[in-house]
Amino acid sequence: NAGVTQTPKFRVLKTGQSMTLLCAQDMNHEYMYWYRQDPGMGLRLIHYSVGEGTTAKGEVPDGYNVSRLKKQNFLLGLESAAPSQTSVYFCASSLAGVYNEQFFGPGTRLTVL
Amino acid sequence: GENVEQHPSTLSVQEGDSAVIKCTYSDSASNYFPWYKQELGKRPQLIIDIRSNVGEKKDQRIAVTLNKTAKHFSLHITETQPEDSAVYFCASLSGYALNFGKGTSLLVTP
Repeated sequence: NAGVTQTPKFRVLKTGQSMTLLCAQDMNHEYMYWYRQDPGMGLRLIHYSVGEGTTAKGEVPDGYNVSRLKKQNFLLGLESAAPSQTSVYFCASSLAGVYNEQFFGPGTRLTVL
Repeated sequence: GENVEQHPSTLSVQEGDSAVIKCTYSDSASNYFPWYKQELGKRPQLIIDIRSNVGEKKDQRIAVTLNKTAKHFSLHITETQPEDSAVYFCASLSGYALNFGKGTSLLVTP
């Protein structure tokens, strides 16, 4: 099993460009999450999904959109990138139920110039 | 929303000593408190968690204690080893979401 994978690993964007980050999991997990990690700020939840076709806002959703069309995939979109979105983005997944371990992907390092 | 405060932000100990990291939370409805370890350049990984129906949980050299009345919980690492060097994050559950502390960078020197 690959676990949780993220594509791409690195990306540099110019202000105003758009992109999509892909998260895939092969563990048949129901719940999926997108976090951003900035120095000294810990992990902050952007959006999450508790099942195929569902999404919900987290702590810092502005400037991002998500989709969960297939159970195994969770996409994070930036429609018009801003320098404030420079960060490391982590995807995570877990079994259904809020008390289960979240398994994280390897991260995507995004720089917006 | 839920606010999780974590202290200290950095901690340096000698190999063999104990390390303690403390967190406080604000949402009295929170009932699940995991700890994640993140080595440099790697992804966070769960090391231990505790639910609000217990006050302490141990797993070898790692233990977590919870005081629901005071709304704080702590991670205790005994007999520290150089491979324990990492950033540790506490978290509390609010609804469907985990709220993470800002992390503690632990350095264990030989």
